[in-house]
Amino acid sequence: DAKTTQPPSMDCAEGRAANLPCNHSTISGNEYVYWYRQIHSQGPQYIIHGLKNNETNEMASLIITEDRKSSTLILPHATLRDTAVYYCIVSPGGSQGNLIFGKGTKLSVKP
Amino acid sequence: GAVVSQHPSWVICKSGTSVKIECRSLDFQATTMFWYRQFPKQSLMLMATSNEGSKATYEQGVEKDKFLINHASLTLSTLTVTSAHPEDSSFYICSASPGTGGDYGYTFGSGTRLTVV
Repeated sequence: DAKTTQPPSMDCAEGRAANLPCNHSTISGNEYVYWYRQIHSQGPQYIIHGLKNNETNEMASLIITEDRKSSTLILPHATLRDTAVYYCIVSPGGSQGNLIFGKGTKLSVKP
Repeated sequence: GAVVSQHPSWVICKSGTSVKIECRSLDFQATTMFWYRQFPKQSLMLMATSNEGSKATYEQGVEKDKFLINHASLTLSTLTVTSAHPEDSSFYICSASPGTGGDYGYTFGSGTRLTVV
């Protein structure tokens, strides 16, 4: 079973920041937090990952709480093309661990 | 960046026939690849872990004799759906990681839409 909990759906206005929460209260010390998104009928696309520090790349920012029990993915300026299902996953990563997908959050970006 | 190529993108086959799906890591070697299945409006479900040079590890409830996995090289894993039936129609996706540590993310293929008629 997935070790994360996410809201089933969220709306965001185009151009505004989208903040997607994820609860992973049972995360283990060696597990990373990964975020992926899936646009209809495509393979999941990697967004960002982190262990305990906040991370930022060209797509998004990842904020992990100090106790690592929850995190937030931030899309700073959402566009219509960001409409997708977003998955938060915890895993040891690499070839040592697999990704178990939960139901994710369906983000709808509206004009 | 790490690229995983999956082929074919879609396939239609007759009930009772077998279908092979290929998953290739293009610019890295992968000792382990993962196979997922996704039904409409559902999340991805892990089917099996493919290990180069050894037998695949199947998740509970996945029939290993029906879903044959071969990982003959460090860049290629194949999934063969044997004696396919309409209920096997689904979206099949593979993934791989270029490294063994958690700081290596996973790259997914573009998926294969299988329709059994």
